[in-house]
Amino acid sequence: GAGVSQSPSNKVTEKGKDVELRCDPISGHTALYWYRQSLGQGLEFLIYFQGNSAPDKSGLPSDRFSAERTGGSVSTLTIQRTQQEDSAVYLCASSLLGSGNTIYFGEGSWLTVV
Amino acid sequence: QKEVEQNSGPLSVPEGAIASLNCTYSDRGSQSFFWYRQYSGKSPELIMFIYSNGDKEDGRFTAQLNKASQYVSLLIRDSQPSDSATYLCAVNSAVRDTGRRALTFGSGTRLQVQP
Repeated sequence: GAGVSQSPSNKVTEKGKDVELRCDPISGHTALYWYRQSLGQGLEFLIYFQGNSAPDKSGLPSDRFSAERTGGSVSTLTIQRTQQEDSAVYLCASSLLGSGNTIYFGEGSWLTVV
Repeated sequence: QKEVEQNSGPLSVPEGAIASLNCTYSDRGSQSFFWYRQYSGKSPELIMFIYSNGDKEDGRFTAQLNKASQYVSLLIRDSQPSDSATYLCAVNSAVRDTGRRALTFGSGTRLQVQP
């Protein structure tokens, strides 16, 4: 596609429920990132996929968070047993090669846990 | 020490003035440096990137990099009210445990341009 596409754009969920957030990167981009941004805060790195290499999961805050990338394209971020502190905007980004290259962000998925 | 540090601001400048935004980083091995602009409620958008020491100019924007001092800055000339946003510095830093490199963001500086 023309840009990074994320869905849903907004999600309200009850505490304890699982949620899935989807990211479709720019066509041809081999690197894909997930970041989290709480209200008024900076960007928090979560996970990084580069080609067929093992993902860098060093930013995932707990084992309730997981992500996968199927076929080197679409990625899904899953949050299990959501907590109120998970409320944030989840931003996906992609780049042509690796992290030395410019990354382009999607519009984000705004998650609210009530 | 944070890997990428920025003054949170707000930095307030009058319309037409030069806005100077600063960023320091801790990883001496960093090679790529980016400035993103983020309007409230929107996702970050790239303004400029710089790889080499010195200045890089693009329209009203100038990025400055000093690797010896581990310092990167963004100058905005002839500031406009539409430039009011949060400016994020991003650095290609080594991830300690894995050795792989991920793009690390500062917490951003909020710029207010007063009409």
